[in-house]
Amino acid sequence: GQQVMQIPQYQHVQEGEDFTTYCNSSTTLSNIQWYKQRPGGHPVFLIQLVKSGEVKKQKRLTFQFGEAKKNSSLHITATQTTDVGTYFCAGRWAYKYIFGTGTRLKVLA
Amino acid sequence: GAVVSQHPSWVICKSGTSVKIECRSLDFQATTMFWYRQFPKQSLMLMATSNEGSKATYEQGVEKDKFLINHASLTLSTLTVTSAHPEDSSFYICSASGLASGNEQFFGPGTRLTVL
Repeated sequence: GQQVMQIPQYQHVQEGEDFTTYCNSSTTLSNIQWYKQRPGGHPVFLIQLVKSGEVKKQKRLTFQFGEAKKNSSLHITATQTTDVGTYFCAGRWAYKYIFGTGTRLKVLA
Repeated sequence: GAVVSQHPSWVICKSGTSVKIECRSLDFQATTMFWYRQFPKQSLMLMATSNEGSKATYEQGVEKDKFLINHASLTLSTLTVTSAHPEDSSFYICSASGLASGNEQFFGPGTRLTVL
């Protein structure tokens, strides 16, 4: 079946350091979405990428969609304590979204 | 963003009983609702996709007779866990999307089910 893997599984960074999570799909995706889930909370939509090679920025967050539409990345510049949480990618395949395994980010003040 | 509610937020039940979880889109029409299951510190596993007025599409390995899904209106979908067992204990989350939201999914706050 379709699988979406994310690396790393965990990441601890010092506040102010950069952070990147990578998302890799076993199949070509129609689009990819990114979500953030705080401990005890539900996933919150961050962004959607549709085009091959697309790059989008939201303040300190930069999202990329690979040329082959099988991988994506999320980069956070100068992390803050408010960035703590688990980041999931979700790749659209046919009618559904397959969530990645997630990267749990801890930011040390 | 749009608001999706779930009820109840948590439920504890005895083994063998059935539990119904409601998912409502409060301020938009949800043509599609997704039901996910999430175990502690793990990812979201899609259980089924429901479109208003039609039968739900279940993912491989999800028993449709055990997890009954009804999407009778554009604002309400229900998931009924029938004859619940301890292994059904989990966090169940719904999400909703509609024409107005594009492909964006709006998630409900989730329902924590504990089966004793």
